[in-house]
Amino acid sequence: GAVVSQHPSWVICKSGTSVKIECRSLDFQATTMFWYRQFPKQSLMLMATSNEGSKATYEQGVEKDKFLINHASLTLSTLTVTSAHPEDSSFYICSAREKRGIGSYEQYFGPGTRLTVT
Amino acid sequence: KQEVTQIPAALSVPEGENLVLNCSFTDSAIYNLQWFRQDPGKGLTSLLLIQSSQREQTSGRLNASLDKSSGRSTLYIAASQPGDSATYLCAVRPMTTDSWGKLQFGAGTQVVVTP
Repeated sequence: GAVVSQHPSWVICKSGTSVKIECRSLDFQATTMFWYRQFPKQSLMLMATSNEGSKATYEQGVEKDKFLINHASLTLSTLTVTSAHPEDSSFYICSAREKRGIGSYEQYFGPGTRLTVT
Repeated sequence: KQEVTQIPAALSVPEGENLVLNCSFTDSAIYNLQWFRQDPGKGLTSLLLIQSSQREQTSGRLNASLDKSSGRSTLYIAASQPGDSATYLCAVRPMTTDSWGKLQFGAGTQVVVTP
């Protein structure tokens, strides 16, 4: 099956610094990628949808200047958490969508990145 | 606004018992419903996907049913094993003006199967 990778798998950073998380589709082209955030024992919350070559669409309540998303190629999207604070500590999961046919898609999930801000 | 609820939040059973996990959703206008498994600190593994026109899907010991009109889905896991211990998430894909609406997740049911 299709594979989505994330790097790093975990990261610890100091408050005020920026952190970049990469999401790659390894064996398919993903015109659309999704970024989710998950707090302990809670559901995945969609943060933004990114389409290759265009600006990301952010969900209500998500600060686009804080969570910068770049989808520069069909296999890579990045999420940069700028000026991170302890409340940004969370599990970030990306997902990539593969087009299978007209109106038919499959969505695959990455293994997640644990971010801890001290 | 679509809301997805999973009950119970946590479940512990002895090995060999059958597991029954429930998922309910408030808006029946969905393309499909999907069940995922999530191990601690890991991403999601897709288990079963049920299209809105289907009533159930089966894969090995797993069976998922869908009653779209009542907004419910149930995941059955037969003859549970300790390796089934994980959090199980259900997600619906709403029908929206976007031809491929975004997944909306429940909070999950944390399952522990004791040897």
